[in-house]
Amino acid sequence: QVQLLESGPGLVKPSETLSLTCNVSGGSISGYYWTWIRQPPGKGLEWLGYIYYSGTTNYDPSLKSRVTISIDTSKNQFSLRLSSVTAADTARYYCARGRLSPMLYFDYWGQGSLVSVSS
Amino acid sequence: SYVLTQPPSVSVAPEKTARITCGGDNIESKSVHWYQQKPGQAPVAVIYSDTDRPSGIPERFSGSNSGNTATLTINRVEAGDEADYFCQVWDSSNNAFVFGPGTTVTV
Repeated sequence: QVQLLESGPGLVKPSETLSLTCNVSGGSISGYYWTWIRQPPGKGLEWLGYIYYSGTTNYDPSLKSRVTISIDTSKNQFSLRLSSVTAADTARYYCARGRLSPMLYFDYWGQGSLVSVSS
Repeated sequence: SYVLTQPPSVSVAPEKTARITCGGDNIESKSVHWYQQKPGQAPVAVIYSDTDRPSGIPERFSGSNSGNTATLTINRVEAGDEADYFCQVWDSSNNAFVFGPGTTVTV
C-alpha cells in the first residue's frame, strides 16, 4: 500500500520560505507525477504543481514565480518550496501521487501538513 | 482560466440518490475526476476519467459527463457518505489543474 507522509515546519514567518518534504513508501516513485495541493482552512483545494519522476516540473501559473518542486528518487521523496509567503499561504498542504489513466488524477494522498504564516 | 461550478450543498435522505453536479464550458471534452473529503481527512478519489471507480470504491458511486455538466451520483446513500465532494479537470489552455469549489453532502 502506497503511503505519503508530509513533514516540515508548522509555522513560517511572513516573507520567508515555506519548505515541506513528502516521503513516499510502499511503492515506486518511478512513472508517476508527484504533486502538491493545498487547502486553506474551510476552503477548497488548490493545485500548486507537480514533478515527474524524471524531474520535469509544471507549476500553477499564478504561483509559478514562487514555487519550486524537487525530487530525490534515491530517497523516495520530493519537496516543496514556496517563497515570500504571506498570511494567504496559510493552509494544509497535501502531497499526492498523480497517475495517468488516461488523464492525470490523484490516487494517493498524504494526510496533509498544516502550515501557518504568522510573525 | 477554466472555471468549475458546484452547488454548495446537497441534502439527501438515507437510501435515496444524491446527484452532485460540476459545471464547466464544454466540460464533456474534458476528463473529470471526483474526490470525497470527510472532515479532518485527506481527499479520496471516488471517480476518475468521468466514469471509472478506483479499487475499493463501492459500486453505489458512479459518474457521467455530457454537454456542460458532469455528475457524480451516489445511489442508496449511507450516513458514511456525508462529506465534501470536489470535481477536478485539467485546463489545457492554462496548463493547470482546476478543482471545483466543492459540494457538502448531508445525509
